[in-house]
Amino acid sequence: EVQLVESGGGLVKPGGSLRLSCAGSGFTFSNAWISWVRQAPGKGLEWVGRIKTKTDGGTTDYAAPVEGRFTISRDDSKNTVYLQMNSLKTEDTAVYYCTTEPNNWNYAGFDFWGQGTLVSVSS
Amino acid sequence: DIQMTQSPSSLSASVGDRVTITCRASQSISKYLNWYQQKPGKAPKVLIYAASSLQSGVPSRFSGSGSGTDFTLTISSLHPEDFATYCCQQSYSTPWTFGQGTKVEIK
Repeated sequence: EVQLVESGGGLVKPGGSLRLSCAGSGFTFSNAWISWVRQAPGKGLEWVGRIKTKTDGGTTDYAAPVEGRFTISRDDSKNTVYLQMNSLKTEDTAVYYCTTEPNNWNYAGFDFWGQGTLVSVSS
Repeated sequence: DIQMTQSPSSLSASVGDRVTITCRASQSISKYLNWYQQKPGKAPKVLIYAASSLQSGVPSRFSGSGSGTDFTLTISSLHPEDFATYCCQQSYSTPWTFGQGTKVEIK
């Protein structure tokens, strides 16, 4: 069974940092592109960024609101992707999900998701 | 960035009703459109990918259509477990963007 489990959320002050983890199991993690998607309270979904596989260069892409503040990395030996969040703002308050991103959208959507982890940015 | 606009933002319907939700992209996205269902406190679940392909395990009462800028999600006969929020997502170009969601409520 495919599973993604996020952890690391919590309460942090504006300007602070937090690192989220996304641990995968039940599939070949090193072959998976992983995206982070967030959802502010009562709002819609917002794509944060993604990391490709090492085979595909391990490159990352980010949404404009987080570019330069957030960094995605992966450790395939631990089947884990990380989201390092720096210079946090109140508007970063959201549930953060990790999800598997298809490398061919003709054949899938974001098909596996974690349960989400809540990040609250408040003084 | 490609903007995705859904309508309506909410609707009330009864069990057995046919429900249609639309999604419009700010530019042509060919068939790169996916639909998700989300229930309160849960992660989204993909229903339809590539505009009209049914995700494995999703009931056939769900269907998607459209291409270019205009897309539709149809639930042919609403079941009690279908009361949820539905959103579209374009997979044509990054940043991937989502519609604001359509909440389907019980009439």
